[in-house]
Amino acid sequence: GENVEQHPSTLSVQEGDSAVIKCTYSDSASNYFPWYKQELGKRPQLIIDIRSNVGEKKDQRIAVTLNKTAKHFSLHITETQPEDSAVYFCAAQESGTYKYIFGTGTRLKVLA
Amino acid sequence: EPEVTQTPSHQVTQMGQEVILRCVPISNHLYFYWYRQILGQKVEFLVSFYNNEISEKSEIFDDQFSVERPDGSNFTLKIRSTKLEDSAMYFCASSGQAQNQPQHFGDGTRLSIL
Repeated sequence: GENVEQHPSTLSVQEGDSAVIKCTYSDSASNYFPWYKQELGKRPQLIIDIRSNVGEKKDQRIAVTLNKTAKHFSLHITETQPEDSAVYFCAAQESGTYKYIFGTGTRLKVLA
Repeated sequence: EPEVTQTPSHQVTQMGQEVILRCVPISNHLYFYWYRQILGQKVEFLVSFYNNEISEKSEIFDDQFSVERPDGSNFTLKIRSTKLEDSAMYFCASSGQAQNQPQHFGDGTRLSIL
């Protein structure tokens, strides 16, 4: 089955700097990769996703890149703001199934 | 924007008791899921449900767990005889009409087993 690794587990950046979170996956047939932001005590909220037929997707300050050959994908947040502080989870949809396999999460702290 | 809603937000139950967690998925969604998150850990898949039957389930989803769609709007997770290790946040999610549509999560039910 699919296995997703996520790094780093914690990340502190100064406001205005960029943050990068990286994930690797094991199942080369996986083709859908969502990213979720989870604030304390709240639901995981989808912030961006990417399918395996593209290498990059952007939405304002957030971008995701996918390298299918290396089986890794990354979340990039530019011009970070204090409200970006949260736990971010990557996930991969296991091929042939409906289930998401989540990474272990990255606690991002944006320091004002 | 439509949301997945879950009730209750917090459930405290004695070990060995049955609990039912309730979810109302987004109205035009056809695929429904339960995940759980033990405090401080990652989100783990429990079960997916489509066309009134389980599509797949994880090793966690053993005989003490069951799911049901009792009517056109609700989707429930029943834990038959709760154990201490069932304490976790349980999230319901739903997705649209194709398999690779994004899953949208509810706010979760925090289940505390005493």
